[in-house]
Amino acid sequence: QKEVEQNSGPLSVPEGAIASLNCTYSDRGSQSFFWYRQYSGKSPELIMFIYSNGDKEDGRFTAQLNKASQYVSLLIRDSQPSDSATYLCAVITSGTYKYIFGTGTRLKVLA
Amino acid sequence: NAGVTQTPKFRILKIGQSMTLQCTQDMNHNYMYWYRQDPGMGLKLIYYSVGAGITDKGEVPNGYNVSRSTTEDFPLRLELAAPSQTSVYFCASSYPAGAYNEQFFGPGTRLTVL
Repeated sequence: QKEVEQNSGPLSVPEGAIASLNCTYSDRGSQSFFWYRQYSGKSPELIMFIYSNGDKEDGRFTAQLNKASQYVSLLIRDSQPSDSATYLCAVITSGTYKYIFGTGTRLKVLA
Repeated sequence: NAGVTQTPKFRILKIGQSMTLQCTQDMNHNYMYWYRQDPGMGLKLIYYSVGAGITDKGEVPNGYNVSRSTTEDFPLRLELAAPSQTSVYFCASSYPAGAYNEQFFGPGTRLTVL
């Protein structure tokens, strides 16, 4: 059973701080990794994609991938109250374009 | 572009009733997906399609059926509704390219089975 695990939270951080969200996956054949943000009552939207080991930065967001440790993370710098949402990690394994989603981490940014 | 549209937005069913959740996309995407999301959980794949006439099961297909007669439409059929099918259903579409596969989600259908 291929699995993707996330801490469900809630993760509470003060405004302006760095929020760190983590995700581990079980299938070593996994090739592509996605972070989606989902506001309460809304549909998920893509915020980051990474497929190579290392860091990838986009504005206030940085995705980090370590395939040897089967670990992917999302850092949000200068966190804002508008970042309060559930962050879903999704993984694509080799030979397929299907996602396996984690259960999501709920982030609360306190003003 | 409207993106991915779903109807209805809300529905209450009685146990044993059937219904079809509609999904349409106008982005000419070849891949389409149906997910369900239970409270506090991630998304579970029900069925997906890689093109018109081609469908396959996901993680939780029991109690559901799909068809894909056109690129645009991917309806999900619930037969003999059960309380365990109470959930929010999301349709998504994508056009994979190499390692990249951004999925675009519809607004969801909130279904309650009583």
